[in-house]
Amino acid sequence: RKEVEQDPGPFNVPEGATVAFNCTYSNSASQSFFWYRQDCRKEPKLLMSVYSSGNEDGRFTAQLNRASQYISLLIRDSKLSDSATYLCVVTYSNSGYALNFGKGTSLLVTP
Amino acid sequence: DAGITQSPRYKITETGRQVTLMCHQTWSHSYMFWYRQDLGHGLRLIYYSAAADITDKGEVPDGYVVSRSKTENFPLTLESATRSQTSVYFCASSDGRQGYQPQHFGDGTRLSIL
Repeated sequence: RKEVEQDPGPFNVPEGATVAFNCTYSNSASQSFFWYRQDCRKEPKLLMSVYSSGNEDGRFTAQLNRASQYISLLIRDSKLSDSATYLCVVTYSNSGYALNFGKGTSLLVTP
Repeated sequence: DAGITQSPRYKITETGRQVTLMCHQTWSHSYMFWYRQDLGHGLRLIYYSAAADITDKGEVPDGYVVSRSKTENFPLTLESATRSQTSVYFCASSDGRQGYQPQHFGDGTRLSIL
């Protein structure tokens, strides 16, 4: 069983829609949490860190629930340029804080 | 420009050959990582390094060797390439021991083993 689980999608949404992605992790020793974005098998790029209090960056809102071991990402007012794969990521202190990736959720925003 | 660079970008080789993938970063980051990405598996950690001359295995280290004689370089060697090692390889680096610092990735090396 993979330590970080995501719904692979694809999520097909129209421009302007709100879409939410969920992620669960199995290791309670998880240290840090991130959402990365990956376009067409290019390198992953950091979208945002996820903090316990929840955080927002423009149209993107991330939430963390440590008790339920659950992370979410909300995208409001979707743009065509948001089409990508979104990777849920956690780090653990016992592996040099290497990133543990979910398999990703694919998003396609259509006109 | 500062950053992290990988070479080559593309490589085709044959089974049994030795292949070395290069990774160079200019930020003087302490930590460096190698991941591979395969359909159906996502990104998986091969090896990581906390500093020069300190390396450790990740999730899928078999068939790979790494070294870190200098902080800025972290080469990955496939000693005897197999078809199962056909993949996209990403190098990454980060600064900070607490894991709160995000990692920065190179452009990747697309490796095909025939």
